[in-house]
Amino acid sequence: QSALTQPPSASGSPGQSVTISCTGTTSDVGGYNYVSWYQQHPGKAPKLMIYEVTKRPSGVPDRFSGSKSGNTASLTVSGLQAEDEADYYCSSYAGSNFVVFGGGTKLTVL
Amino acid sequence: QITLKESGPTLVKPTQTLTLTCTFSGFSLSTSGVGVGWIRQPPGKALEWLALIYWDDDKRYSPSLKSRLTITKDTSKNQVVLTMTNMDPVDTATYYCAHRRSDFGYWGQGTLVTVSS
Repeated sequence: QSALTQPPSASGSPGQSVTISCTGTTSDVGGYNYVSWYQQHPGKAPKLMIYEVTKRPSGVPDRFSGSKSGNTASLTVSGLQAEDEADYYCSSYAGSNFVVFGGGTKLTVL
Repeated sequence: QITLKESGPTLVKPTQTLTLTCTFSGFSLSTSGVGVGWIRQPPGKALEWLALIYWDDDKRYSPSLKSRLTITKDTSKNQVVLTMTNMDPVDTATYYCAHRRSDFGYWGQGTLVTVSS
């Protein structure tokens, strides 16, 4: 198992859209529809934002959306707001009840 | 309402064994499909999955740490315990436990463990 690959940083101005990628392999991201995304503000525990590739938990704004193509999953944040500035981590099921996380992306709202 | 809370020592010495307890409420670890996992995060670094235990006592460990980890559950006490042997300063991190179905939907607040002599 290797960590999923995320860009270290991403940025956008308020109101813009930004997409964060998460690249794995056919053994994880590409093989299962169990990709999730987590938002983490400094000093806080991670918060689930997207699960099963595209689903949003109750209470998560619809500005957050997820998708997947092949071995790469993506998180799109539309209509960026200041409070969206945080670290974002993807995670995938990797078969046989194993889990793998991405290296994280720091999202900056300019 | 699902809640989880980690407890254990804040400071351990190199070579010692770390024992962390996750006490949870709002769900049962005897419910089909439910699991509890441990994830850690060194200061300023990324999340790292460590271990998972499921309702049927199936256990999974990070391949890179498998030899040092043990996860157990006490369903009657609503607790999951993680032990990590041979602690090293590089194991300094915030350790989280989290509820799992297809994702980690609920997290504890985390507990910072420092490894230092």
